[in-house]
Amino acid sequence: KQEVTQIPAALSVPEGENLVLNCSFTDSAIYNLQWFRQDPGKGLTSLLLIQSSQREQTSGRLNASLDKSSGRSTLYIAASQPGDSATYLCAVRDSSYKLIFGSGTRLLVRP
Amino acid sequence: NAGVTQTPKFRILKIGQSMTLQCTQDMNHNYMYWYRQDPGMGLKLIYYSVGAGITDKGEVPNGYNVSRSTTEDFPLRLELAAPSQTSVYFCASSGQGAYEQYFGPGTRLTVT
Repeated sequence: KQEVTQIPAALSVPEGENLVLNCSFTDSAIYNLQWFRQDPGKGLTSLLLIQSSQREQTSGRLNASLDKSSGRSTLYIAASQPGDSATYLCAVRDSSYKLIFGSGTRLLVRP
Repeated sequence: NAGVTQTPKFRILKIGQSMTLQCTQDMNHNYMYWYRQDPGMGLKLIYYSVGAGITDKGEVPNGYNVSRSTTEDFPLRLELAAPSQTSVYFCASSGQGAYEQYFGPGTRLTVT
């Protein structure tokens, strides 16, 4: 059974710092991996999607990497801003269209 | 462009009551999903559908029912609500190939 773990559960950093969020999964037979942002009381916003054949994806200050063989993905946020404060969720998709989510990392960027 | 819409936004139910959570998408997506999110946790899949007339169970289907009579709509029915069903419910959809999932704003349900 696929399990997705995100470490750390919470992170507090000063503004301007570069940071890395980690996601690990137990079954490397994934179709893709998706990173989401969730603001308090809101829905999920898709940030980046990495297909199983890809190694990384970039969007602005965000860079996500995927290492299927080791069951890991990282989300790198450059020059963090207070507006980046949110919960970040990673999810892996198996061949049956289902997304399996981690519990998320709650990020606070202090001004 | 509305995307995925959900109604209601909030609802309080008494134990044993029933209700239907509505979900509509206007992107002509074949795939639709219902998730629940408990406090401090990730999302868990309740039911999903790969097209009109086709539904299947996810990880936590007990206590729920779904139907998919049209491409646009995917309602979630709660029969005999229980306190364990207190959660935030998210509907999502994805297009052909089921690549990226797009989420609605959620319905916050409390059962007391």
